[in-house]
Amino acid sequence: RKEVEQDPGPFNVPEGATVAFNCTYSNSASQSFFWYRQDCRKEPKLLMSVYSSGNEDGRFTAQLNRASQYISLLIRDSKLSDSATYLCVVNVDMRFGAGTRLTVKP
Amino acid sequence: NAGVTQTPKFRVLKTGQSMTLLCAQDMNHEYMYWYRQDPGMGLRLIHYSVGEGTTAKGEVPDGYNVSRLKKQNFLLGLESAAPSQTSVYFCASTWDRVTGELFFGEGSRLTVL
Repeated sequence: RKEVEQDPGPFNVPEGATVAFNCTYSNSASQSFFWYRQDCRKEPKLLMSVYSSGNEDGRFTAQLNRASQYISLLIRDSKLSDSATYLCVVNVDMRFGAGTRLTVKP
Repeated sequence: NAGVTQTPKFRVLKTGQSMTLLCAQDMNHEYMYWYRQDPGMGLRLIHYSVGEGTTAKGEVPDGYNVSRLKKQNFLLGLESAAPSQTSVYFCASTWDRVTGELFFGEGSRLTVL
């Protein structure tokens, strides 16, 4: 089992839709988690940090479930500009999941 | 404020040639990382460093060597390049790997013919 696994996607959703991605991790010693956004051919950029039970930032909500060892990212009211690849990162060794590609269509 | 700078940004090599990628950060970060990204895949950790003079292997270290002689620089070396090493390489740094945000360079696109 890979240390960090994500929904393979791709996710194709209409504008205004709500979409959720999951990321599972295998190392129970992991202490913190991050969601990054990566646009085509660009470097990843931090979207949200997930420290304890989760957090919210505008249309974005990140949740952590330690018992089941997964984190999720919820995007409400999707915008065209949300189209990107979303990567989860587990702090131990800073390993990335393979990413989930999201395309928001008009 | 330069942040993380990678050089070169593009390079074409022939099989068997050697080269070094340089990552420089001006944020006094302890932790530095080298990743590679191939089409349709996420970033895979090659090597990382938790401080000056230290290095450790990541997920895919074979064929690469690294050095961290100065805190601000993390070098990634390919001793004998292979076509399988054709990829985009990203360097990143952070001050705290538990709560810290990773700061990335813009990437280095390497093609091995």
